[in-house]
Amino acid sequence: GESVGLHLPTLSVQEGDNSIINCAYSNSASDYFIWYKQESGKGPQFIIDIRSNMDKRQGQRVTVLLNKTVKHLSLQIAATQPGDSAVYFCAETLYNFNKFYFGSGTKLNVKP
Amino acid sequence: NAGVTQTPKFQVLKTGQSMTLQCAQDMNHNSMYWYRQDPGMGLRLIYYSASEGTTDKGEVPNGYNVSRLNKREFSLRLESAAPSQTSVYFCAADRDGNSPLHFGNGTRLTVT
Repeated sequence: GESVGLHLPTLSVQEGDNSIINCAYSNSASDYFIWYKQESGKGPQFIIDIRSNMDKRQGQRVTVLLNKTVKHLSLQIAATQPGDSAVYFCAETLYNFNKFYFGSGTKLNVKP
Repeated sequence: NAGVTQTPKFQVLKTGQSMTLQCAQDMNHNSMYWYRQDPGMGLRLIYYSASEGTTDKGEVPNGYNVSRLNKREFSLRLESAAPSQTSVYFCAADRDGNSPLHFGNGTRLTVT
């Protein structure tokens, strides 16, 4: 099977609870951030993005928060479902720079 | 509309053999990328092509070459495979270098 997920931080939540996944990014000059979801055996899938001129952005059941002061990004998932079980990555880049840098990921395990 | 298609899905090579990983996108995106993903790690950029006719090195280019054959296709070549190149390789595309990446489902390469 897919080896992605070994030695990753793991967050276990109960189905229906809210999940918060955190990410510390490295470059204070980064101005565009994306959260990706990766299921076993598949490529990363876009969830939500945010630019540095915002500190919060909401999607369907997901919210991304950006704190530039401490270089911190978080992904909140409301009413977590078993289908949300996956590895979640944050990525940062400089606008127009063509180079996204990815964090090492957090594994979300949703218990029924 | 398939998005980003990678071939092959799986490959086993002996040390010193060569091979080319193929990637094609049908989204008419300008920028294409090759990443590698190792266990417990995020994705690391090998090479990218900001637009047709251009290619640039990413974080880990040693041991690889790329060709942007046309707007749709971006191939990754291993001239002399080494065990350290055992990894999962992902191709991605985005519209203009500062929009979400769309990933293929990966090529799982083992070098013995």
